[in-house]
Amino acid sequence: DAKTTQPPSMDCAEGRAANLPCNHSTISGNEYVYWYRQIHSQGPQYIIHGLKNNETNEMASLIITEDRKSSTLILPHATLRDTAVYYCIVRLTNNAGNMLTFGGGTRLMVKP
Amino acid sequence: GAGVSQSPRYKVAKRGQDVALRCDPISGHVSLFWYQQALGQGPEFLTYFQNEAQLDKSGLPSDRFFAERPEGSVSTLKIQRTQQEDSAVYLCASSLIRPTNLITYEQYFGPGTRLTVT
Repeated sequence: DAKTTQPPSMDCAEGRAANLPCNHSTISGNEYVYWYRQIHSQGPQYIIHGLKNNETNEMASLIITEDRKSSTLILPHATLRDTAVYYCIVRLTNNAGNMLTFGGGTRLMVKP
Repeated sequence: GAGVSQSPRYKVAKRGQDVALRCDPISGHVSLFWYQQALGQGPEFLTYFQNEAQLDKSGLPSDRFFAERPEGSVSTLKIQRTQQEDSAVYLCASSLIRPTNLITYEQYFGPGTRLTVT
């Protein structure tokens, strides 16, 4: 699986959009971009994933550049409960046995 | 519905003791993963089961680590002769064998077991 690079930490004001960047310049054509987050003392939680088109769900939006070398996770209206470590992962999904390869993630602090 | 559960949530072991960590996956989830998360780091893959078959154990750090899933549901991660470097949170995750319409092989994680070796 391709490696990812994320800033170690970010701050965001409550109610504002949080934009979390991720670089994955060595991504291959059949690898998806996944985002998980981990709130303190909990296990990681799936947020969203995409291949090349932008994706949106009830939690977030995922913007993937045309060359697929980077992406941005957008939390449109951050709340204090969104404070967590956010992991960007690139992963083959042709097999149920494909593990997740986590990096260091971005620690997002949402401040009142 | 019930999510992935793990027990115990916290375990303190003296160096040299054996420990057993339990994972109850979501009912019907065929795939089961174990991960190890050191303090301040992201989780790292240990091993993977499909039903009772252990298909990948490439992440187990030493032969002191052993995992089993004898009936294809509950799994146990056993660590023999624990060392201080084994101190970490051990996470279990499960997933469906086939992707759902919307999500491809999403993994559902339990809360983890925090192991402290003194």
